[in-house]
Amino acid sequence: DAKTTQPNSMESNEEEPVHLPCNHSTISGTDYIHWYRQLPSQGPEYVIHGLTSNVNNRMASLAIAEDRKSSTLILHRATLRDAAVYYCILRKTSYDKVIFGPGTSLSVIP
Amino acid sequence: DTGVSQDPRHKITKRGQNVTFRCDPISEHNRLYWYRQTLGQGPEFLTYFQNEAQLEKSRLLSDRFSAERPKGSFSTLEIQRTEQGDSAMYLCASSPTGVEKLFFGSGTQLSVL
Repeated sequence: DAKTTQPNSMESNEEEPVHLPCNHSTISGTDYIHWYRQLPSQGPEYVIHGLTSNVNNRMASLAIAEDRKSSTLILHRATLRDAAVYYCILRKTSYDKVIFGPGTSLSVIP
Repeated sequence: DTGVSQDPRHKITKRGQNVTFRCDPISEHNRLYWYRQTLGQGPEFLTYFQNEAQLEKSRLLSDRFSAERPKGSFSTLEIQRTEQGDSAMYLCASSPTGVEKLFFGSGTQLSVL
């Protein structure tokens, strides 16, 4: 299975943009890039996913490198409620199970 | 849409006892997943169902663990002869077929003394 690598932790100031990186150098052509986040004492929550093109939704943007070996989750304006663990995941189809790594713990500083 | 519901939220048991957790998925979600999460780690896949059929089990799921989804609606996860190493958060998730995202419940926190 293709693996992802993320920094263990990151900090951001409130109301500033946050760029969360993910490396997936062994990604295959059929792997989708998914992001979930987990707030304290809650289950994970879907954020966004994409294949090749950049994606935007109300929660975040996903920027995918041209060679697809890395991607970046962008939170345009961090709030205290965005403090969570963010997981970058590769998944081939909606029929595949979702395999989580340790993720990036994001702290937001007021 | 009331979300994925898990019961109980917390369970404290003594080593050697059996415990059972329940998960009620979102209505009409035919795929249901169980995960286990320990402190500081990401959720670890245990098993999943398509309707009432259990399609995959992690090799990490020992014989003491069994999951059922008898009518393709709610699911139960039973742990027999609990050990201290079973202490973790047990998460349930559901999704409709063909939809990319999983919807997670808030989990059941198990403490084995």
